[in-house]
Amino acid sequence: DTGVSQDPRHKITKRGQNVTFRCDPISEHNRLYWYRQTLGQGPEFLTYFQNEAQLEKSRLLSDRFSAERPKGSFSTLEIQRTEQGDSAMYLCASSLARGQGYYEQYFGPGTRLTVT
Amino acid sequence: ELKVEQNPLFLSMQEGKNYTIYCNYSTTSDRLYWYRQDPGKSLESLFVLLSNGAVKQEGRLMASLDTKARLSTLHITAAVHDLSATYFCAVVAYQLIWGAGTKLIIKP
Repeated sequence: DTGVSQDPRHKITKRGQNVTFRCDPISEHNRLYWYRQTLGQGPEFLTYFQNEAQLEKSRLLSDRFSAERPKGSFSTLEIQRTEQGDSAMYLCASSLARGQGYYEQYFGPGTRLTVT
Repeated sequence: ELKVEQNPLFLSMQEGKNYTIYCNYSTTSDRLYWYRQDPGKSLESLFVLLSNGAVKQEGRLMASLDTKARLSTLHITAAVHDLSATYFCAVVAYQLIWGAGTKLIIKP
């Protein structure tokens, strides 16, 4: 499968624990995005990378959230001290950007987080 | 603040009927996407609309864009059960800005 992959697909954790998700983009794609989606809503942008550089981070994103893409390939999203309000589907997407502007994003299957 | 509004948010219809989902947005944009999402699944790109008057069709789905009215429509012709899903529109404004989605249930 050469699409975007995410791991794990499901995560149940207790409030206060830290969790880390992984995203492997389409291999030649240089941009990688993280979104959060709650039930009945569209995806909410969290952050994106171009290669290894984190170029934008949502102002709505708590300091408990951090993302990395150390070698410009896979990315990790960590949530520290999870809260019940963090329960959501976390989606990763990638795109191949050939310049400035927007390029079509391809989405992974998502990681569903449940905080109890 | 850029807003993308879809309506209806929920639609239940019988097979064989026609219906239209509307997507209004509040600022200029040169690109609009329609996505499909099945329950518990990720997002599948259906259409990208790039210019005023653009119309794209795939099977029983047809999408159009009126940039002057800041309106896109997704028309379903002779609906079948397999089209049951949630449909999102998303507008490009540096990043993708999403509507809340229209949950479509098509009853046999």
